[in-house]
Amino acid sequence: EVQLLESGGDLVQPGGSLRLSCAASGFTFSSYAMSWVRQAPGKGLEWVSAISGGGGSTYYADSVKGRFTISRDNSKDTLYLQVNSLRAEDTAVYYCAKGSYSGNYHYLDYWGQGTLITVSS
Amino acid sequence: EIVLTQSPGTLSLSPGERATLSCRASQSVSSSYLAWYQQKPGQAPRLLIYGASSRATGIPDRFSGSGSGTDFTLTISRLEPEDFAVYSCQQYGSSPKTFGQGTTVEIK
Repeated sequence: EVQLLESGGDLVQPGGSLRLSCAASGFTFSSYAMSWVRQAPGKGLEWVSAISGGGGSTYYADSVKGRFTISRDNSKDTLYLQVNSLRAEDTAVYYCAKGSYSGNYHYLDYWGQGTLITVSS
Repeated sequence: EIVLTQSPGTLSLSPGERATLSCRASQSVSSSYLAWYQQKPGQAPRLLIYGASSRATGIPDRFSGSGSGTDFTLTISRLEPEDFAVYSCQQYGSSPKTFGQGTTVEIK
């Protein structure tokens, strides 16, 4: 059974940083791309970032480019999202999602339950 | 960036009725790389349809997807009580992999 467990969300001041983690199990982690998707309170889904199965290719939404960094440790079956220079508009639940294969053109076939980042002073 | 516009914003229907949801793209979605997700309050999204028309594992056959190019449709043939939720489309054929704003299917 595929399981994705996010952690690391917190209340943080504007300009602050956090590192989100997503522990994966139930599949061969290194064989699949992974993504982060966020959802602001009461709003729709927003794709944030993706990384290929091997970790060599990364992709970002313009809204987070230069501030967020996606990475993965395939030896630990864990996905990360380093979020820096946080803004109020980054407040959201951040979901980790498994891609349908290792490359860029993947849909998201399994999702974690999410971790909440609140940016406020 | 491909903008996805979903309509209607809210669909009020009764159990047993047919639901038709639209997702229109601002430019052609390559290779019909279009997915639909269902989300219930307090839950993570769940994949329903990929490749515009292929049902994901375990999804009942009352859910069907169709369309190509810029116009896509999700149809629920007969609404069950558990189908009242928010439905979002996503294109994954180009970066950024954008989502539509969602359609809420509510009980009339």
